[in-house]
Amino acid sequence: KQEVTQIPAALSVPEGENLVLNCSFTDSAIYNLQWFRQDPGKGLTSLLLIQSSQREQTSGRLNASLDKSSGRSTLYIAASQPGDSATYLCAVRYTNAGKSTFGDGTTLTVKP
Amino acid sequence: EPEVTQTPSHQVTQMGQEVILRCVPISNHLYFYWYRQILGQKVEFLVSFYNNEISEKSEIFDDQFSVERPDGSNFTLKIRSTKLEDSAMYFCASKGTQSEQYFGPGTRLTVT
Repeated sequence: KQEVTQIPAALSVPEGENLVLNCSFTDSAIYNLQWFRQDPGKGLTSLLLIQSSQREQTSGRLNASLDKSSGRSTLYIAASQPGDSATYLCAVRYTNAGKSTFGDGTTLTVKP
Repeated sequence: EPEVTQTPSHQVTQMGQEVILRCVPISNHLYFYWYRQILGQKVEFLVSFYNNEISEKSEIFDDQFSVERPDGSNFTLKIRSTKLEDSAMYFCASKGTQSEQYFGPGTRLTVT
């Protein structure tokens, strides 16, 4: 069964810290992996998409890496801000048009 | 920037009633998806749709559910005889020739 796991489930850090969120997947034959942000009661905001042939993607203070062979991805957030507080979800797809399989998410709280 | 839209944003219905959730995918996209997220749980795949037919469905997507693309622009999810456990956020997504799936803002369905 293709499963996606995110660790930790929750994380609380003081403002300004750099942090890493983890995502692991049981079947390493992914097509791509996408990181999302979700604010409470809201929709999914796409942050970064990494194709299976890529090792990392960057957008502003966010950097996502992918290690297919070990079935892992990390989302690195630099210089965290209170506005980064949200739940971060990773999702994998195994074919171009296939479904996304989501992890449970990591709920991040950045304290001022 | 093109975006997926969903209506209504919140739907309240009584148990046993039928509801139709509506989505307008991005105009040149060909692949369409429905996902749901029960409060506090992970985002789950329901169904994917391509070339006017279902391409994949999960075990959740039983005879209570149906999808339709009635007019070339809308993509609908019909839930017949709603149950309390159908209360969730329902997300529509679409994909074109590029890799990324674009998600709508969601419809919160509350069954009372």
